[in-house]
Amino acid sequence: DGGITQSPKYLFRKEGQNVTLSCEQNLNHDAMYWYRQDPGQGLRLIYYSQIVNDFQKGDIAEGYSVSREKKESFPLTVTSAQKNPTAFYLCASSMFASGSLDPYNEQFFGPGTRLTVL
Amino acid sequence: QKEVEQDPGPLSVPEGAIVSLNCTYSNSAFQYFMWYRQYSRKGPELLMYTYSSGNKEDGRFTAQVDKSSKYISLFIRDSQPSDSATYLCAMSDVPPNTGNQFYFGTGTSLTVIP
Repeated sequence: DGGITQSPKYLFRKEGQNVTLSCEQNLNHDAMYWYRQDPGQGLRLIYYSQIVNDFQKGDIAEGYSVSREKKESFPLTVTSAQKNPTAFYLCASSMFASGSLDPYNEQFFGPGTRLTVL
Repeated sequence: QKEVEQDPGPLSVPEGAIVSLNCTYSNSAFQYFMWYRQYSRKGPELLMYTYSSGNKEDGRFTAQVDKSSKYISLFIRDSQPSDSATYLCAMSDVPPNTGNQFYFGTGTSLTVIP
């Protein structure tokens, strides 16, 4: 049963703590993404990765860090430097075929993690 | 100015109504246009996508793209209570051989009243 899993579903953090959100996919997708969703803001890109051991900052990368040591995993760490971390975090993945002339790559989303800072 | 503008609503319609959802954008390089549906506390799921200008129909859903006006629409005919969700538009320029970054609208919250 292929898909994207995110854990945990709900996460509570005290101020000043770092916390890591998990994202795993078994779709054999090359590209993975992290978005943050806030009311009235839509989805904003935090980081994305096109290939293992490589990733790029999105629009709101400050206070976040990622790693891509394995193709199927793209964990996101919310650090204490992120001033307003309470949000719904969504992970996505898409096929990225280098050299392909078919540029359309649907992004498949995980179920999300709701992070609340206490 | 945001790359993509979308009226957040909320939009409330009676069952059976025709719903029109819209987005405008500023980047003329966008070629791929997507509509995602997101139920409460769930991840978005792709509803429809179109390339360049034109219409695409899938059942009760029709997506329209007007690149000259930088305007896209999603129409829902014979709306059902199960259509109640947030609808997000997304766009990409997607040059070949690059991982694509999508630009999302804020989402429009739709409620279909039985």
